[in-house]
Amino acid sequence: AQTVTQSQPEMSVQEAETVTLSCTYDTSESDYYLFWYKQPPSRQMILVIRQEAYKQQNATENRFSVNFQKAAKSFSLKISDSQLGDAAMYFCAYRSALVIQGAQKLVFGQGTRLTINP
Amino acid sequence: DAGVIQSPRHEVTEMGQEVTLRCKPISGHDYLFWYRQTMMRGLELLIYFNNNVPIDDSGMPEDRFSAKMPNASFSTLKIQPSEPRDSAVYFCASSFFGLAGVEQYFGPGTRLTVT
Repeated sequence: AQTVTQSQPEMSVQEAETVTLSCTYDTSESDYYLFWYKQPPSRQMILVIRQEAYKQQNATENRFSVNFQKAAKSFSLKISDSQLGDAAMYFCAYRSALVIQGAQKLVFGQGTRLTINP
Repeated sequence: DAGVIQSPRHEVTEMGQEVTLRCKPISGHDYLFWYRQTMMRGLELLIYFNNNVPIDDSGMPEDRFSAKMPNASFSTLKIQPSEPRDSAVYFCASSFFGLAGVEQYFGPGTRLTVT
């Protein structure tokens, strides 16, 4: 079974600075998807960014980018120019790319609480 | 699109009572997922459906929990009887199958408190 580990329960960063959240995963599959979800105090789960394992290029969405290291099974999220609205819980998640029933579920890490200091 | 809709947003009930949580997925999505979020266990999948058929219910805690999807636009998660340890946030999410459809879109969640 796949597992996702986020080793940083909490992180803090000064507004306008850059912060990197870590995520590692364990799988025997070669093709899969990785995601970062944001959960603000409203508790809504918001998709931040996704990465396909077959793509070597790291995904980028505006101020959010990932460092995907497939061999190391590492998937970190970098937030540049941090803003107060970025304060939230961030979850790393894994989804198999197998085209079989039962492979569609997301496996989540425990989350990292990010605080933005003004 | 209105997104995934869940009701109620908050539910407070007494131990032993029946609780029903409701979900309306995004129109056109053929997968529906129920997740539970607690401090101790984090986010965990309870059950998911494809085309209204349950595919994986291995995360359902015990027989007190049941889920149905009578049609493509509605699903329920029922707990009977409820216990204090069932207190959690329950999320419904939906997605559609395909190379462009790997993301799951989450509803706002239902915060359940069992006293």
